[in-house]
Amino acid sequence: GQNIDQPTEMTATEGAIVQINCTYQTSGFNGLFWYQQHAGEAPTFLSYNVLDGLEEKGRFSSFLSRSKGYSYLLLKELQMKDSASYLCAVIDSNYQLIWGAGTKLIIKP
Amino acid sequence: DTAVSQTPKYLVTQMGNDKSIKCEQNLGHDTMYWYKQDSKKFLKIMFSYNNKELIINETVPNRFSPKSPDKAHLNLHINSLELGDSAVYFCASSQGTSGFTGELFFGEGSRLTVL
Repeated sequence: GQNIDQPTEMTATEGAIVQINCTYQTSGFNGLFWYQQHAGEAPTFLSYNVLDGLEEKGRFSSFLSRSKGYSYLLLKELQMKDSASYLCAVIDSNYQLIWGAGTKLIIKP
Repeated sequence: DTAVSQTPKYLVTQMGNDKSIKCEQNLGHDTMYWYKQDSKKFLKIMFSYNNKELIINETVPNRFSPKSPDKAHLNLHINSLELGDSAVYFCASSQGTSGFTGELFFGEGSRLTVL
């Protein structure tokens, strides 16, 4: 079966750095997304990786290793507004999007 | 302008009733989706339409019936509502015509509570 694993919850301090990991086992791979979802709101796009390596976008970076079936989202200079759930999603060989359950990130002052 | 809009945002109803949720996108996208997000926060695909044609129909009860009058609209009708149908239903759209290829744009969600 297809599976995406992320930690259920993480806690970090304002101003610090946090890394949210995602491992996947899917039938094929055509890209990986990270989405942010604030409580009671819709998911919003953060990043897309299809090649190995690090993609940086402001305070957020996303890394992919296809050989390891692994990605992480790195958040720097954490702000209180970064408290949200972070969803990892993989496009499989049939171009279907497989979602993880999300990681709830709690930022403390 | 809201890119993907869905109504109503909140819906409280009794078991056994029939209800509909409407969705419209003004992005010119070819593909629209309905997702269900339950209390455990998993996003589960229910249906996907490409240019008014059904391309994904996951294992959902046939009480759920999508309808796409045109490629900018995808409505969801639910018959004989059950307690387990309580969830947040998200409409989404993406560009691309053969399976999922691009970023998803989500509506704000419709929170359905069945009493």
